Amino acid sequence: QKEVEQDPGPLSVPEGAIVSLNCTYSNSAFQYFMWYRQYSRKGPELLMYTYSSGNKEDGRFTAQVDKSSKYISLFIRDSQPSDSATYLCAMKGRDDKIIFGKGTRLHILP
Amino acid sequence: EAGVVQSPRYKIIEKKQPVAFWCNPISGHNTLYWYRQNLGQGPELLIRYENEEAVDDSQLPKDRFSAERLKGVDSTLKIQPAELGDSAVYLCASTPGTLNTEAFFGQGTRLTVV
Repeated sequence: QKEVEQDPGPLSVPEGAIVSLNCTYSNSAFQYFMWYRQYSRKGPELLMYTYSSGNKEDGRFTAQVDKSSKYISLFIRDSQPSDSATYLCAMKGRDDKIIFGKGTRLHILP
Repeated sequence: EAGVVQSPRYKIIEKKQPVAFWCNPISGHNTLYWYRQNLGQGPELLIRYENEEAVDDSQLPKDRFSAERLKGVDSTLKIQPAELGDSAVYLCASTPGTLNTEAFFGQGTRLTVV
């Protein structure tokens, strides 16, 4: 079992829909959870960063962490075609080693 | 403020040739990471530096890969000799070095070995 599991998609949704992206993990030592967005031929760009369980909102994006279930989510409201990208979840423990999921390819259909 | 700068952006080499990638992290960032990203996959850690010290190189294929971070600022990742399977995007990232801060990535170097 990989430390971080993420469905690679692709996930296609119509413009304006709510998008839900998820990751599960197996290492209970993970404490910091991140979501990155990666456009084609670009480096990953940090979207959200959370510590421990709970929700964090930033504009149209909400990150959710459930440490008891080892499950994290990213919600995108009012999705736009410009949101089409690959979304990578990432997490790390106190050793500062960042582990990534495979990434989910998202397509927002106009 | 400039972000993480990597060069070159693209590199095509023949197998068995050497290649080197360069990374300039964000000013003041003590921690530097090198990742490799294969097509359709997430980044995989190769090596992590705290200042000039490599604190985690367990995933670095040491028979052909080497890295250095002289003076704890810029870093170079080298492959010698390159193999076809080394074709990937090589990403550099940096953080200030405290535990609860996120990593910022460069644009990556896309390596094609033919």
